[in-house]
Amino acid sequence: AQKITQTQPGMFVQEKEAVTLDCTYDTSDPSYGLFWYKQPSSGEMIFLIYQGSYDQQNATEGRYSLNFQKARKSANLVISASQLGDSAMYFCAIGPGSARQLTFGSGTQLTVLP
Amino acid sequence: DAMVIQNPRYQVTQFGKPVTLSCSQTLNHNVMYWYQQKSSQAPKLLFHYYDKDFNNEADTPDNFQSRRPNTSFCFLDIRSPGLGDAAMYLCATSRATGSSTDTQYFGPGTRLTVL
Repeated sequence: AQKITQTQPGMFVQEKEAVTLDCTYDTSDPSYGLFWYKQPSSGEMIFLIYQGSYDQQNATEGRYSLNFQKARKSANLVISASQLGDSAMYFCAIGPGSARQLTFGSGTQLTVLP
Repeated sequence: DAMVIQNPRYQVTQFGKPVTLSCSQTLNHNVMYWYQQKSSQAPKLLFHYYDKDFNNEADTPDNFQSRRPNTSFCFLDIRSPGLGDAAMYLCATSRATGSSTDTQYFGPGTRLTVL
């Protein structure tokens, strides 16, 4: 079974500052992927970034980077230079495994302050 | 642009009146998923199709059914909606190559209200 833990129900960050959203995971699969999704109040789940368990380097996509520490089983999302439009719910997920499924965490509500 | 489309974006139905939600995709992905998401919760997988192979989650109520007539379309049927079925319903697709890189791409969701 796979499990994702997001311990920060809510986070605040000042516009233009960086913020780190925490994610820890547990899995018995030797090969897995870690995903971050953004969900604005409109409801759409927007794929942000992916990290494979065998990837040597941390993934980056524009202002998003994934701080992957395999030994600690953590996959934290770093958002640099926060913008007001970054205010949303952020979900960490692990998968897909042989069952072709994603297991989501409970999410972190990020609010960017002007 | 290739994408996942859901119609309608908002659906209002009456208690016990059957309702169908629609999802289509232009990504040509072989897997399509339906999730239910209630307020302030993570999405919960209801079922998925791998090509024509239907995979139901063990705790999905019988009230929820799905059809996939072709690669592009997938429907969610709620036979007798109850007040507890009011939620956001998200459709997603993936290529399902079997590797850990299979990313799920989501549609905009349908917000269902049950009166």
